[in-house]
Formats: sequence, C-alpha cells, structure tokens
Amino acid sequence: LAKTTQPISMDSYEGQEVNITCSHNNIATNDYITWYQQFPSQGPRFIIQGYKTKVTNEVASLFIPADRKSSTLSLPRVSLSDTAVYYCLVNQAGTALIFGKGTTLSVSS
Amino acid sequence: DAGITQSPRHKVTETGTPVTLRCHQTENHRYMYWYRQDPGHGLRLIHYSYGVKDTDKGEVSDGYSVSRSKTEDFLLTLESATSSQTSVYFCAISEIGEGPYEQYFGPGTRLTVT
Repeated sequence: LAKTTQPISMDSYEGQEVNITCSHNNIATNDYITWYQQFPSQGPRFIIQGYKTKVTNEVASLFIPADRKSSTLSLPRVSLSDTAVYYCLVNQAGTALIFGKGTTLSVSS
Repeated sequence: DAGITQSPRHKVTETGTPVTLRCHQTENHRYMYWYRQDPGHGLRLIHYSYGVKDTDKGEVSDGYSVSRSKTEDFLLTLESATSSQTSVYFCAISEIGEGPYEQYFGPGTRLTVT
C-alpha cells in the first residue's frame, strides 16, 4: 500500500501556480519525500526531493512543515506541457519506491 | 538522461509462452528494479537487485523471475505468460551517494499476452 495520500486530479490554467498537497502521516525518521512526474507512455521522472523545510530547484518547490506529516509541491506558472501525473512518495535511499495512483494535473489554455 | 535501455519495447505473445525482458544500463549503478504499470494504477514493484546475483522480491513477484549476472543487465522472465501479465514494464536504476536519492526509469516495454 502507498504510504501517501494525494488528490486524484487537479485542473489549472496556463500561467497559474499549482500546489499539490500530499499527506504522509506515518513517515519514518529516515524517509525522504520525493515527487515524480510521468507523461503518457513514458517512465516517471524525478522532480524534487526534500527532508524538511523548503527545497527549490529550477522546476519546482517543495514545502515540508516541521512535523513532516504532509508536503506541498509547488509548480510556478504552469504550461500545457506540465499536464502529467504527479506522484508523491516517501522513501529511504536504496529502497524501492512505493507508488500510489498519483495526481493527474490537467492544464488548459 | 540516464543510460537505460529496455528491449524489446513492444511485444505480443501467446498465453503459456516464456518471455524475457531486458534492462541494460551504462551508469554502473548498483540498484536495479522492475516495475509494472497497469491502467489507473501507479507503478508496482516486481523484483529488485542490489548487486550482481543479489535479488529480492517485490510486491507483485508471483509468476516472475529475475537474473543479474552483470552489473549492467537485469533480466525479467515470465516463465509462462498469462493474460494478467499484460502490462507496461519499467526498469529503473539507482545509486546511493551524495545528493538526492532518485531512481532513473527506462522507456518501458509494452507487453501484450493474448
């Protein structure tokens, strides 16, 4: 069973900021929080990973509160090409990933 | 992109026939994984390897076997394919080091069992 809970789907328009929240109440001390993106007919692709507070890279930001029981992936100014499935996972280094059903993000013009 | 290839990319086979899928990497990563993905589901782990000749079962290992005789190759075998094994199969690799821990996924193999 997936160790995370996230919305099944979200809709947005081009240029908007999208925030996807993930719940992981039973996160372990050694777990990292990781987000992957998957386009149709492709394998998942790593977006961002964090342990606590805030992490930012060139494509997204990840906000993690102090209790680490949830996290929020923030995608600034989305475009049509951001339409994809987004997976939130908690994992330790060297272990297999446990995927849930993810959040299907649909971006419209 | 990480150097991962999967072969074949597409395969149609009949029930009861053996099938072997190959995952090849050029990154010299220690860990390799086989997942399957079915419509409406996330990826589910079949088997994984943490070194040459070191493998272990995942969540949905029944009906599958794996072998890893070289660092770069991880083979997934369906001894006697069934229609329930119709799926898209993804291979992934990873390594533990400094920086984020991430898995790199291959392009996938679409298998149809008729």
